[in-house]
Amino acid sequence: DAKTTQPNSMESNEEEPVHLPCNHSTISGTDYIHWYRQLPSQGPEYVIHGLTSNVNNRMASLAIAEDRKSSTLILHRATLRDAAVYYCILRESGNTPLVFGKGTRLSVIA
Amino acid sequence: DVKVTQSSRYLVKRTGEKVFLECVQDMDHENMFWYRQDPGLGLRLIYFSYDVKMKEKGDIPEGYSVSREKKERFSLILESASTNQTSMYLCASSTTGQSNEQFFGPGTRLTVL
Repeated sequence: DAKTTQPNSMESNEEEPVHLPCNHSTISGTDYIHWYRQLPSQGPEYVIHGLTSNVNNRMASLAIAEDRKSSTLILHRATLRDAAVYYCILRESGNTPLVFGKGTRLSVIA
Repeated sequence: DVKVTQSSRYLVKRTGEKVFLECVQDMDHENMFWYRQDPGLGLRLIYFSYDVKMKEKGDIPEGYSVSREKKERFSLILESASTNQTSMYLCASSTTGQSNEQFFGPGTRLTVL
């Protein structure tokens, strides 16, 4: 399985932008980059995904490096509700299941 | 609103009991998955299924079996529960395709005494 590296934890002030980094130096050309998050006492939920180009949706933005060896999940204005564990996952070809690493625990301070 | 439901949020069983964890999705998804989550170990894949009556082993299938008789339902079976199977169990489903998201249920916290 392709691997990702994320910081164990990060902290942000409420209403400030948050940049969550992910390194994936062994990514292959067909791997999609997925981000999920898990709020306390809930199952993981999808945040965003991309292949080569930067992506935006209502929850976040995904910035992908030109060489695709790293990516950054951007929360434009963190709220207390964004406190969660964020997982960066490479999705390999076909129907392979998601493989979760340890993720980054984001704390948001009021 | 898309939904993955799990039969119980909390379950307490005794060592040696046969345990059934049920998962139902209403999105007509082909793929369904069972994970367990433990502190410090993260989410680990137990079994998954690409279609009715099909199953594939994940990373930690020992001590578990699964059943998928209908497309919408995927059951995880602990043939003889043991204390080391105390965990949070999460079910998920998805359509076919590399870019498609997985939808997760709320989880079942199983305690084996």
